Amino acid sequence: DAKTTQPNSMESNEEEPVHLPCNHSTISGTDYIHWYRQLPSQGPEYVIHGLTSNVNNRMASLAIAEDRKSSTLILHRATLRDAAVYYCIPIGYNTNAGKSTFGDGTTLTVKP
Amino acid sequence: DAGVIQSPRHEVTEMGQEVTLRCKPISGHNSLFWYRQTMMRGLELLIYFNNNVPIDDSGMPEDRFSAKMPNASFSTLKIQPSEPRDSAVYFCASSLATLPTDTQYFGPGTRLTVL
Repeated sequence: DAKTTQPNSMESNEEEPVHLPCNHSTISGTDYIHWYRQLPSQGPEYVIHGLTSNVNNRMASLAIAEDRKSSTLILHRATLRDAAVYYCIPIGYNTNAGKSTFGDGTTLTVKP
Repeated sequence: DAGVIQSPRHEVTEMGQEVTLRCKPISGHNSLFWYRQTMMRGLELLIYFNNNVPIDDSGMPEDRFSAKMPNASFSTLKIQPSEPRDSAVYFCASSLATLPTDTQYFGPGTRLTVL
């Protein structure tokens, strides 16, 4: 399975953009890059996913490097409610969605 | 939709007792996952089902753990006998299938404390 590396923690000020990096250098060509986040005392929730192209949705943007060995989750204007643990997870036809491994993630702190 | 429903939300039991955790997936979802989360080990996948059939239970820690999915709308995770090291938050998640584009929807979790 593809391994991921994320910083343990990051801080941001409220209403400023946040860039959360993830390295996945062993990702296979058919693995999708998923991001989930876990708010305090809740289960993880889906944020966004992509394969090769950059992706946008109402929650965030996902920028995928051209070689696909890294990606960056972008929160355009962080709010206090965005404080959570963010997980980057490669999921593919070979790795099988059931084998998705959440890893340790990045704990994002948002300061008012 | 009510989302994934788990019960109970909190469970406190004594070592040696049987514990049964319950999960109702989102209607129409064909895949169901059981996870365990602890501070030491993070979020671990225990087992997952596709169309009510267990596909991979390699994450189940030992024979004391068992999971069933008798129908598409219900699953149980049983621990017998329970031990203090089983204390954790147990999450159930469901998805349409197991394609790499499918999103997993998580329940609120069951916080288990074994004394």
